[in-house]
Amino acid sequence: DAGVIQSPRHEVTEMGQEVTLRCKPISGHDYLFWYRQTMMRGLELLIYFNNNVPIDDSGMPEDRFSAKMPNASFSTLKIQPSEPRDSAVYFCASSFGTANTEAFFGQGTRLTVV
Amino acid sequence: AQSVTQPDIHITVSEGASLELRCNYSYGATPYLFWYVQSPGQGLQLLLKYFSGDTLVQGIKGFEAEFKRSQSSFNLRKPSVHWSDAAEYFCAVGTGNQFYFGTGTSLTVIP
Repeated sequence: DAGVIQSPRHEVTEMGQEVTLRCKPISGHDYLFWYRQTMMRGLELLIYFNNNVPIDDSGMPEDRFSAKMPNASFSTLKIQPSEPRDSAVYFCASSFGTANTEAFFGQGTRLTVV
Repeated sequence: AQSVTQPDIHITVSEGASLELRCNYSYGATPYLFWYVQSPGQGLQLLLKYFSGDTLVQGIKGFEAEFKRSQSSFNLRKPSVHWSDAAEYFCAVGTGNQFYFGTGTSLTVIP
């Protein structure tokens, strides 16, 4: 397996624009996590899915953020409209089973909102 | 509430010196504990994990960690650091269906 695949690796967008980040988890994994990493706040869990169903989205900062997982092999994180303070590295991770197994991380998407 | 504390934001060591990165956790039950490493521009890679059994666990790249229940700690160690070990290190607790990460320790290795 190629691991968790995220696209794009880098995204630069203007304030107010819609941004969509994509993630392909490892085949067979039933948990998918979206994290945001900033210097100020470190790694923050935004939302996670189990078997394509959102379980906990309490980390999603605002209604401008939304995440979907239409099938077991694809998830998106959308920001609409984007703001400069959304600039961060966004990681997707997947795991098989609950938190007694390791999470495999993608390489992240570096988002810059200007 | 669960939490993970990495008290050292940044550590600098000389190549060949020993290393210890500290991690303390707060969790009511027996935790699942992890150490991840993040190289610049990369995602997080698992170094090692503790679920149960022997409290001293071995990981990749010559790293080891010791679980001490009495101190709620899971410190990461390496006897001799290599320049390629320079990276960000994250301690994490797995509980329920989530992973909780510490804020990370940045390691600089000087020649």
